[in-house]
Amino acid sequence: AQSVTQPDIHITVSEGASLELRCNYSYGATPYLFWYVQSPGQGLQLLLKYFSGDTLVQGIKGFEAEFKRSQSSFNLRKPSVHWSDAAEYFCAVGPSGGYNKLIFGAGTRLAVHP
Amino acid sequence: EAGVAQSPRYKIIEKRQSVAFWCNPISGHATLYWYQQILGQGPKLLIQFQNNGVVDDSQLPKDRFSAERLKGVDSTLKIQPAKLEDSAVYLCASSLSTQGNYEQYFGPGTRLTVT
Repeated sequence: AQSVTQPDIHITVSEGASLELRCNYSYGATPYLFWYVQSPGQGLQLLLKYFSGDTLVQGIKGFEAEFKRSQSSFNLRKPSVHWSDAAEYFCAVGPSGGYNKLIFGAGTRLAVHP
Repeated sequence: EAGVAQSPRYKIIEKRQSVAFWCNPISGHATLYWYQQILGQGPKLLIQFQNNGVVDDSQLPKDRFSAERLKGVDSTLKIQPAKLEDSAVYLCASSLSTQGNYEQYFGPGTRLTVT
């Protein structure tokens, strides 16, 4: 069965430091992979997505992610974190069941110290 | 472009009561999704509509949950009767189509507390 694991529940970084959020997936074929961000009281916003092609994907807000098939990973990175990046980040894989259904990980909550 | 609208934003009810949530997707989006997000977990798909037809409701607890999308636009999700474990944020999302993995756009959610 398809699944997504985000090993880190909470991460705290200092403003200006680099960031890497981990995501591992289990999927029987070539996956479509997504990173979403959720700020308090808000819905999910898509940061970036991977469908095919270049394994390094650029997204909004200075984020990027790298698809590594051999490691079944799709880690999210940012070279310099801003205080406004504090939020919860969700990795997702799809399609599941052929209907664009997404399977989400449990999320990683990011705190940013000034 | 207006986003996905949901109401109410917050709801507190007692167990065994009923509750309904409303969603208005982005104009022109054929596919509508309802997700349940329990605290500390990622969103879980409850039901997916393509226009006004259901394409996936495999994880919808049909003994107490129901959803409809009349005229292929707005949708309503109902819980009757509610249980304590239904406390969660209910997210509505929409996309252009089920094919091609079009991006899903999420509303702000309805936070339900069952006491």
